[in-house]
Amino acid sequence: QKEVEQDPGPLSVPEGAIVSLNCTYSNSAFQYFMWYRQYSRKGPELLMYTYSSGNKEDGRFTAQVDKSSKYISLFIRDSQPSDSATYLCAMTDTGFQKLVFGTGTRLLVSP
Amino acid sequence: SQTIHQWPATLVQPVGSPLSLECTVEGTSNPNLYWYRQAAGRGLQLLFYSVGIGQISSEVPQNLSASRPQDRQFILSSKKLLLSDSGFYLCAWSFRASGGNTIYFGEGSWLTVV
Repeated sequence: QKEVEQDPGPLSVPEGAIVSLNCTYSNSAFQYFMWYRQYSRKGPELLMYTYSSGNKEDGRFTAQVDKSSKYISLFIRDSQPSDSATYLCAMTDTGFQKLVFGTGTRLLVSP
Repeated sequence: SQTIHQWPATLVQPVGSPLSLECTVEGTSNPNLYWYRQAAGRGLQLLFYSVGIGQISSEVPQNLSASRPQDRQFILSSKKLLLSDSGFYLCAWSFRASGGNTIYFGEGSWLTVV
């Protein structure tokens, strides 16, 4: 079993839809959770960063962590074609030197 | 602000040829530095990480090597490339104080071995 599982997609939605991207993990020691956005042929860029459980909102993006279920989510409201990208979740435990990444979900937002 | 530069952006190399990818970070001191590889349809694979000059940890045995000759410079090398070395190589950094819990990536280098 992989430490982090992420549906590869692609996930296709119309413009304006609410998008839900998810990851599950198995290591209960994970405390820091991140979402990266990666456009085609580019390096990943950090989108959201959360610590422990709870929600964090930044504009149209909301990151949610449920440690009891070992489940994290990224919600995108009012999705735009410019949101079309691959979204990678990542996580690590306290003081850990390395992140563990999901394989990424490809999102396609059609106009 | 901090920036990371990685080059070359794209290269096509024959099997058996050497490789050198270079990465520099500006705007911070004593960063942790990382080399990742991303193969088509697969996730990010950590190849090497470094917590200081000359300190390299290897995650995956292979014909690649890494060096950190200066605090903010990280180099990925190979003496003889294999076809399986093709992929997207990403340099990344994080603040030393925060360990590896937030990593920032460069733009990447596309390597095709023919």
